[in-house]
Amino acid sequence: NAGVTQTPKFQVLKTGQSMTLQCAQDMNHEYMSWYRQDPGMGLRLIHYSVGAGITDQGEVPNGYNVSRSTTEDFPLRLLSAAPSQTSVYFCASSESGNTIYFGEGSWLTVV
Amino acid sequence: LAKTTQPISMDSYEGQEVNITCSHNNIATNDYITWYQQFPSQGPRFIIQGYKTKVTNEVASLFIPADRKSSTLSLPRVSLSDTAVYYCLVGHGYGYNFNKFYFGSGTKLNVKP
Repeated sequence: NAGVTQTPKFQVLKTGQSMTLQCAQDMNHEYMSWYRQDPGMGLRLIHYSVGAGITDQGEVPNGYNVSRSTTEDFPLRLLSAAPSQTSVYFCASSESGNTIYFGEGSWLTVV
Repeated sequence: LAKTTQPISMDSYEGQEVNITCSHNNIATNDYITWYQQFPSQGPRFIIQGYKTKVTNEVASLFIPADRKSSTLSLPRVSLSDTAVYYCLVGHGYGYNFNKFYFGSGTKLNVKP
Protein backbone atom coordinates (compact mmCIF):
# COMPACT_ATOMS: atom_id res chain seq x y z
CA ASN A 1 0.00 0.00 0.00
CA ALA A 2 1.81 3.11 -1.24
CA GLY A 3 -0.71 5.72 -0.02
CA VAL A 4 0.88 9.19 -0.22
CA THR A 5 4.44 9.23 -1.51
CA GLN A 6 6.74 12.22 -1.21
CA THR A 7 10.14 12.80 -2.78
CA PRO A 8 12.81 13.72 -1.94
CA LYS A 9 13.02 12.76 1.72
CA PHE A 10 15.87 15.19 2.41
CA GLN A 11 17.12 18.20 0.46
CA VAL A 12 19.59 21.01 1.07
CA LEU A 13 19.23 24.13 -1.02
CA LYS A 14 21.16 27.34 -1.31
CA THR A 15 19.32 30.61 -0.89
CA GLY A 16 17.76 31.64 -4.20
CA GLN A 17 17.63 28.18 -5.69
CA SER A 18 14.37 26.69 -6.86
CA MET A 19 13.14 23.14 -6.51
CA THR A 20 10.05 20.96 -6.64
CA LEU A 21 8.80 18.63 -3.95
CA GLN A 22 6.92 15.76 -5.53
CA CYS A 23 3.76 14.20 -4.11
CA ALA A 24 1.76 11.32 -5.49
CA GLN A 25 -1.20 9.38 -4.13
CA ASP A 26 -2.66 6.11 -5.39
CA MET A 27 -6.01 6.26 -3.58
CA ASN A 28 -7.84 8.28 -6.28
CA HIS A 29 -8.53 11.04 -3.76
CA GLU A 30 -9.91 14.33 -5.00
CA TYR A 31 -8.42 16.48 -2.27
CA MET A 32 -4.69 17.05 -1.83
CA SER A 33 -2.73 19.54 0.22
CA TRP A 34 0.68 20.66 1.37
CA TYR A 35 1.56 21.55 4.95
CA ARG A 36 4.74 22.77 6.53
CA GLN A 37 5.82 22.03 10.08
CA ASP A 38 8.49 24.06 11.80
CA PRO A 39 10.35 22.61 14.82
CA GLY A 40 8.06 22.16 17.82
CA MET A 41 5.13 23.63 15.95
CA GLY A 42 1.88 22.38 14.47
CA LEU A 43 1.12 22.03 10.78
CA ARG A 44 0.29 25.04 8.64
CA LEU A 45 -1.54 24.72 5.35
CA ILE A 46 0.38 26.06 2.33
CA HIS A 47 -1.77 25.20 -0.69
CA TYR A 48 -4.54 22.77 -1.43
CA SER A 49 -6.45 21.31 -4.34
CA VAL A 50 -10.02 20.07 -4.52
CA GLY A 51 -9.52 18.31 -7.83
CA ALA A 52 -7.49 18.25 -11.02
CA GLY A 53 -7.06 21.76 -12.37
CA ILE A 54 -8.25 23.44 -9.15
CA THR A 55 -5.90 24.85 -6.52
CA ASP A 56 -6.13 27.51 -3.83
CA GLN A 57 -4.03 29.14 -1.16
CA GLY A 58 -3.87 28.07 2.42
CA GLU A 59 -2.55 29.86 5.49
CA VAL A 60 1.07 30.39 4.37
CA PRO A 61 1.25 30.38 0.53
CA ASN A 62 3.93 33.00 -0.11
CA GLY A 63 7.01 31.66 -1.87
CA TYR A 64 5.31 28.48 -3.08
CA ASN A 65 3.47 27.44 -6.23
CA VAL A 66 1.38 24.37 -6.93
CA SER A 67 -0.39 22.80 -9.87
CA ARG A 68 -2.71 19.80 -10.20
CA SER A 69 -2.67 18.43 -13.71
CA THR A 70 -3.70 14.92 -12.65
CA THR A 71 -5.64 13.43 -9.75
CA GLU A 72 -2.56 11.54 -8.58
CA ASP A 73 0.10 14.27 -8.47
CA PHE A 74 0.40 17.54 -6.57
CA PRO A 75 3.91 19.03 -6.78
CA LEU A 76 5.02 21.94 -4.61
CA ARG A 77 7.46 24.40 -6.14
CA LEU A 78 9.74 26.68 -4.20
CA LEU A 79 10.42 29.61 -6.49
CA SER A 80 13.44 31.18 -4.80
CA ALA A 81 14.37 29.37 -1.60
CA ALA A 82 14.90 31.39 1.58
CA PRO A 83 16.21 30.26 4.99
CA SER A 84 12.71 30.89 6.40
CA GLN A 85 11.50 28.00 4.25
CA THR A 86 13.64 25.52 6.17
CA SER A 87 11.00 23.13 7.46
CA VAL A 88 9.44 19.71 7.15
CA TYR A 89 6.88 19.51 4.38
CA PHE A 90 3.96 17.08 4.42
CA CYS A 91 1.74 16.24 1.52
CA ALA A 92 -1.73 14.90 2.29
CA SER A 93 -4.76 13.57 0.50
CA SER A 94 -8.38 12.87 1.36
CA GLU A 95 -11.55 11.72 -0.30
CA SER A 96 -14.18 13.52 1.72
CA GLY A 97 -14.75 14.14 5.36
CA ASN A 98 -11.94 14.71 7.80
CA THR A 99 -9.76 11.63 7.39
CA ILE A 100 -6.54 13.00 5.97
CA TYR A 101 -3.74 10.69 4.85
CA PHE A 102 -0.26 12.15 5.16
CA GLY A 103 3.00 11.32 3.47
CA GLU A 104 6.18 10.64 5.42
CA GLY A 105 7.51 14.17 5.02
CA SER A 106 10.28 15.98 3.17
CA TRP A 107 13.01 17.64 5.23
CA LEU A 108 14.20 20.83 3.55
CA THR A 109 17.14 22.94 4.68
CA VAL A 110 17.92 26.26 3.01
CA VAL A 111 21.39 27.63 3.68
CA LEU B 1 -11.62 29.31 11.50
CA ALA B 2 -12.73 26.76 14.06
CA LYS B 3 -9.71 27.25 16.34
CA THR B 4 -8.86 24.66 18.94
CA THR B 5 -7.07 24.89 22.27
CA GLN B 6 -5.23 21.95 23.82
CA PRO B 7 -2.72 21.57 26.65
CA ILE B 8 0.82 21.90 25.37
CA SER B 9 2.04 18.76 27.11
CA MET B 10 1.02 15.93 29.42
CA ASP B 11 2.92 13.27 31.32
CA SER B 12 1.65 9.81 32.12
CA TYR B 13 2.89 6.38 33.19
CA GLU B 14 2.54 3.10 31.41
CA GLY B 15 -0.78 1.37 32.07
CA GLN B 16 -2.63 4.55 32.98
CA GLU B 17 -5.62 5.98 31.15
CA VAL B 18 -4.89 9.34 29.53
CA ASN B 19 -7.50 11.97 28.77
CA ILE B 20 -6.64 14.90 26.51
CA THR B 21 -9.20 17.66 26.28
CA CYS B 22 -9.62 20.02 23.36
CA SER B 23 -11.60 23.25 23.50
CA HIS B 24 -13.41 24.45 20.36
CA ASN B 25 -15.84 27.14 21.43
CA ASN B 26 -16.76 28.32 17.93
CA ILE B 27 -17.48 24.91 16.44
CA ALA B 28 -20.04 25.09 13.65
CA THR B 29 -23.20 23.01 13.48
CA ASN B 30 -21.90 20.75 10.73
CA ASP B 31 -18.30 20.45 12.00
CA TYR B 32 -16.85 17.09 12.96
CA ILE B 33 -14.09 16.56 15.53
CA THR B 34 -11.10 14.51 14.50
CA TRP B 35 -7.96 13.52 16.39
CA TYR B 36 -4.60 12.75 14.87
CA GLN B 37 -1.41 11.25 16.29
CA GLN B 38 2.07 12.22 15.16
CA PHE B 39 5.29 10.40 16.00
CA PRO B 40 8.64 12.15 15.53
CA SER B 41 9.77 12.29 11.92
CA GLN B 42 6.43 10.99 10.63
CA GLY B 43 3.26 12.47 9.20
CA PRO B 44 0.13 12.66 11.39
CA ARG B 45 -2.09 9.60 11.51
CA PHE B 46 -5.87 9.48 11.94
CA ILE B 47 -7.04 8.15 15.33
CA ILE B 48 -10.75 8.81 15.75
CA GLN B 49 -13.57 11.05 14.59
CA GLY B 50 -16.93 12.01 16.08
CA TYR B 51 -19.81 14.44 15.93
CA LYS B 52 -21.52 14.08 19.31
CA THR B 53 -21.75 11.84 22.41
CA LYS B 54 -19.22 9.00 22.44
CA VAL B 55 -17.26 7.17 19.79
CA THR B 56 -14.99 4.19 20.44
CA ASN B 57 -12.64 2.24 18.25
CA GLU B 58 -9.82 -0.22 18.85
CA VAL B 59 -7.38 2.57 19.70
CA ALA B 60 -9.25 5.27 21.62
CA SER B 61 -12.53 6.77 22.74
CA LEU B 62 -13.82 10.23 22.00
CA PHE B 63 -16.23 11.98 24.34
CA ILE B 64 -18.19 15.00 23.12
CA PRO B 65 -20.61 16.83 25.45
CA ALA B 66 -23.99 18.05 24.29
CA ASP B 67 -22.82 21.62 23.61
CA ARG B 68 -19.88 20.27 21.52
CA LYS B 69 -17.63 23.11 22.67
CA SER B 70 -15.02 20.65 23.82
CA SER B 71 -14.00 17.05 23.31
CA THR B 72 -11.87 14.54 25.18
CA LEU B 73 -9.65 11.92 23.65
CA SER B 74 -9.26 8.95 25.96
CA LEU B 75 -6.36 6.50 25.55
CA PRO B 76 -6.78 3.40 27.71
CA ARG B 77 -3.74 1.83 29.34
CA VAL B 78 -1.06 3.78 27.51
CA SER B 79 2.32 2.30 26.70
CA LEU B 80 5.68 3.88 25.89
CA SER B 81 4.78 3.65 22.20
CA ASP B 82 1.91 6.11 22.73
CA THR B 83 4.42 8.90 23.30
CA ALA B 84 3.54 11.31 20.51
CA VAL B 85 1.87 14.61 19.69
CA TYR B 86 -1.91 14.53 19.52
CA TYR B 87 -3.86 17.04 17.42
CA CYS B 88 -7.51 17.94 17.69
CA LEU B 89 -9.04 19.09 14.41
CA VAL B 90 -12.44 20.64 13.85
CA GLY B 91 -14.05 21.03 10.46
CA HIS B 92 -16.47 19.53 8.01
CA GLY B 93 -15.67 17.85 4.76
CA TYR B 94 -13.42 19.38 2.23
CA GLY B 95 -14.03 21.25 -0.95
CA TYR B 96 -14.16 24.96 -0.32
CA ASN B 97 -14.15 24.47 3.42
CA PHE B 98 -10.59 23.23 3.30
CA ASN B 99 -9.15 26.30 4.91
CA LYS B 100 -11.21 25.67 8.01
CA PHE B 101 -8.95 22.87 9.17
CA TYR B 102 -6.69 24.20 11.90
CA PHE B 103 -4.11 21.86 13.41
CA GLY B 104 -2.71 24.03 16.16
CA SER B 105 0.35 22.96 18.14
CA GLY B 106 -1.12 19.78 19.54
CA THR B 107 -0.53 18.07 22.89
CA LYS B 108 2.78 16.35 23.44
CA LEU B 109 2.11 13.20 25.49
CA ASN B 110 5.09 11.75 27.29
CA VAL B 111 4.56 8.24 28.64
CA LYS B 112 7.05 7.18 31.30
CA PRO B 113 7.92 3.63 32.37
